[in-house]
Amino acid sequence: GAVVSQHPSRVICKSGTSVKIECRSLDFQATTMFWYRQFPKQSLMLMATSNEGSKATYEQGVEKDKFLINHASLTLSTLTVTSAHPEDSSFYICSARDPRGPETQYFGPGTRLLVL
Amino acid sequence: DQQVKQNSPSLSVQEGRISILNCDYTNSMFDYFLWYKKYPAEGPTFLISISSIKDKNEDGRFTVFLNKSAKHLSLHIVPSQPGDSAVYFCAASDSGNTPLVFGKGTRLSVIA
Repeated sequence: GAVVSQHPSRVICKSGTSVKIECRSLDFQATTMFWYRQFPKQSLMLMATSNEGSKATYEQGVEKDKFLINHASLTLSTLTVTSAHPEDSSFYICSARDPRGPETQYFGPGTRLLVL
Repeated sequence: DQQVKQNSPSLSVQEGRISILNCDYTNSMFDYFLWYKKYPAEGPTFLISISSIKDKNEDGRFTVFLNKSAKHLSLHIVPSQPGDSAVYFCAASDSGNTPLVFGKGTRLSVIA
């Protein structure tokens, strides 16, 4: 299957700082990527749809000024958690759809964020 | 309103036996269905999918069955192995560039 990478895999930061997470599609071009969040023992929660060359589409309840998404190229989307607080600590996962195949999304390995 | 439902939060199966994970959906516009496997602290891994024009798709030990009239699909794993222990997510798509809709997952434990 297609490969999606995320960087960093783990980050610890102080409250009030901003953290950037990168999501890359390594062997295909993705016009659309998706960002999810997973709390412990809970299912995946879609945060936003990242569209290359245009604004991201945020799900209800997700603050767009808090979670900045930039999809600057066909292989890279970034999620920036601005002014992070302890409640933002979570596991963030991105996915991308390979346009060469059917409606299959491939997920990155995830980024564990811990805000102290 | 949950469009994709996995009603069993957990399932325990003995090694070598069959694991059957179930998923129901409500949106009749869904035409593509997927199963993902997820280990803790990792991203989900694509397992197998099925298009609505089929009622069965098989890949090694994994088989997905689709019953469109009942809006139900299931994932069969046989024989089950301890390494299959993970959370399994069912997902559905209505084509186009829309996000997949996921169920809440079923935690499978395969006991040796």
